[in-house]
Amino acid sequence: DQQVKQNSPSLSVQEGRISILNCDYTNSMFDYFLWYKKYPAEGPTFLISISSIKDKNEDGRFTVFLNKSAKHLSLHIVPSQPGDSAVYFCAYRLGGADGLTFGKGTHLIIQP
Amino acid sequence: DAGVTQSPTHLIKTRGQQVTLRCSPKSGHDTVSWYQQALGQGPQFIFQYYEEEERQRGNFPDRFSGHQFPNYSSELNVNALLLGDSALYLCASSTGPRTTDTQYFGPGTRLTVL
Repeated sequence: DQQVKQNSPSLSVQEGRISILNCDYTNSMFDYFLWYKKYPAEGPTFLISISSIKDKNEDGRFTVFLNKSAKHLSLHIVPSQPGDSAVYFCAYRLGGADGLTFGKGTHLIIQP
Repeated sequence: DAGVTQSPTHLIKTRGQQVTLRCSPKSGHDTVSWYQQALGQGPQFIFQYYEEEERQRGNFPDRFSGHQFPNYSSELNVNALLLGDSALYLCASSTGPRTTDTQYFGPGTRLTVL
């Protein structure tokens, strides 16, 4: 039973355009969401996070939006760059000692 | 400043054997979490160590055990290996077990069970 779903296994976007990665969750008790990026042969790298008390968090080219009524999380990357090509995971965390729960990931491909 | 390091990089074992994976956290970090990433899946939480104790555990059998040393490094042990244990094992470290503590991941150990 997937509690965090990333329904698009892959996404292709032209360089310079906006990339939008989506994530749906089931439990309204989740209170902290994160996005990680993973290159081949490397561990996941933290990108950006958002608390459930907010609906938007921005860091440079990356913005995360949280729609609690729809139980939907999205990551916007503007403008997309070739180095953004990677697998992106959304994740949540319930409590302090709890580990992260990840979605299956979306493979973002930035086309030149 | 070294990030999270893991050893070995790759490992091949046969069913029924036992394996030990090692992790050194990022400098200044005292909390270590272990994850299993099967092919095509996201990482799955195994357990977290803080102050040399297992603080929380995911849905993994007792065959998976761990340890944290006084220098904050950690080991993951898996007994009686099954074919399904083949995966990338990731270690993540943070400055504490709090919700907002960012977890930094190592490159992982690729375990293949034949």
